[in-house]
Amino acid sequence: GAGVSQTPSNKVTEKGKYVELRCDPISGHTALYWYRQSLGQGPEFLIYFQGTGAADDSGLPNDRFFAVRPEGSVSTLKIQRTERGDSAVYLCASSFSAGAGELFFGEGSRLTVL
Amino acid sequence: ELKVEQNPLFLSMQEGKNYTIYCNYSTTSDRLYWYRQDPGKSLESLFVLLSNGAVKQEGRLMASLDTKARLSTLHITAAVHDLSATYFCAVDITGALNFGKGTSLLVTP
Repeated sequence: GAGVSQTPSNKVTEKGKYVELRCDPISGHTALYWYRQSLGQGPEFLIYFQGTGAADDSGLPNDRFFAVRPEGSVSTLKIQRTERGDSAVYLCASSFSAGAGELFFGEGSRLTVL
Repeated sequence: ELKVEQNPLFLSMQEGKNYTIYCNYSTTSDRLYWYRQDPGKSLESLFVLLSNGAVKQEGRLMASLDTKARLSTLHITAAVHDLSATYFCAVDITGALNFGKGTSLLVTP
């Protein structure tokens, strides 16, 4: 596609539920990133992929968070046993290659945990 | 741990005035980025600075990078209302960008 596509754009869930957020990067981009942004804060790094493998997952806050990119294109961020503190906008970005230039961001998925 | 600090965090300025936003970072890097974010929107890339002494300009905005001082500046010339937004700097040392907290800019008549 022309840009980074994220679905859903909004997700409301109850505490304890499981959530999946999807990201479709720009065609040809090998690096894919997940960030989380809370109100009034800068984006907080979670994980990035170079191809199919997670190159750096040091930003994942705990083992409830997991991300995959099985075919080196679309990625899914998975959150188990959601907590109210997980409420944020989850941003996905892609770039031609890791460390090779600017990241292009999607519109984000707003997650609200009640 | 890399720290990226921006100041000011909030800035209200009159149209027509000039001002500079500062971005300091704690670990050596020669890759620095500036992004703009409008309320409720995603991040839009403004500048990519990839070497010491790099300077880039686009319209009323000019960005520079001093890697020795670990400092980047975003200079606003003759501000207009359309520049009201939040501006983030971000530093790359591991392949992923580390963002500052952002500078929320409001340009008033």
